[in-house]
Amino acid sequence: GAGVSQSPRYKVAKRGQDVALRCDPISGHVSLFWYQQALGQGPEFLTYFQNEAQLDKSGLPSDRFFAERPEGSVSTLKIQRTQQEDSAVYLCASSLKQGASLGYTFGSGTRLTVV
Amino acid sequence: AQRVTQPEKLLSVFKGAPVELKCNYSYSGSPELFWYVQYSRQRLQLLLRHISRESIKGFTADLNKGETSFHLKKPFAQEEDSAMYYCALSGTGRRALTFGSGTRLQVQP
Repeated sequence: GAGVSQSPRYKVAKRGQDVALRCDPISGHVSLFWYQQALGQGPEFLTYFQNEAQLDKSGLPSDRFFAERPEGSVSTLKIQRTQQEDSAVYLCASSLKQGASLGYTFGSGTRLTVV
Repeated sequence: AQRVTQPEKLLSVFKGAPVELKCNYSYSGSPELFWYVQYSRQRLQLLLRHISRESIKGFTADLNKGETSFHLKKPFAQEEDSAMYYCALSGTGRRALTFGSGTRLQVQP
């Protein structure tokens, strides 16, 4: 596709429910990033993939968060047993090369509300 | 640790007035600095990078290592500049960006 596609755009989950958020990056983009953006804050790094390898997961806030990119293209961010503090916009970004030097292309995000 | 600070949550100016959006950072090595912009109902997008020393839509930003700042400037604001602006930093050997909390620029007619 022409850009980074994320689905769903909106997700309402009951506390304790598991959710899966999907990211379809630009074809051929090697790097893929997940960010969490709470209301009124800037995006905060969660995890980074280079192709199918998850090279950095230092930003994942707890072991309830899990991300994968098994074939080096589409990625899924899974949150188990959601809690209210997980409510945020989850942004996916991709980049043609390694590193941030060329800038990222961001998706529109998934707004997760945990009730 | 790396940190980006944008001290102003909101900056309101009149059309034609100069604009300066402040960004300060802390990082012990040689950072790469960026400005990202999010217009209403649009995605976050790259505005400019310090490494390319470019001017985009009339905006410029100079990296001042002595003051650890990367302020975004434009001499004459336009209404279409109204948006959310984020300063971001990438550290040596780290691929992820660290973002500031953002400044909303409001350009009034």
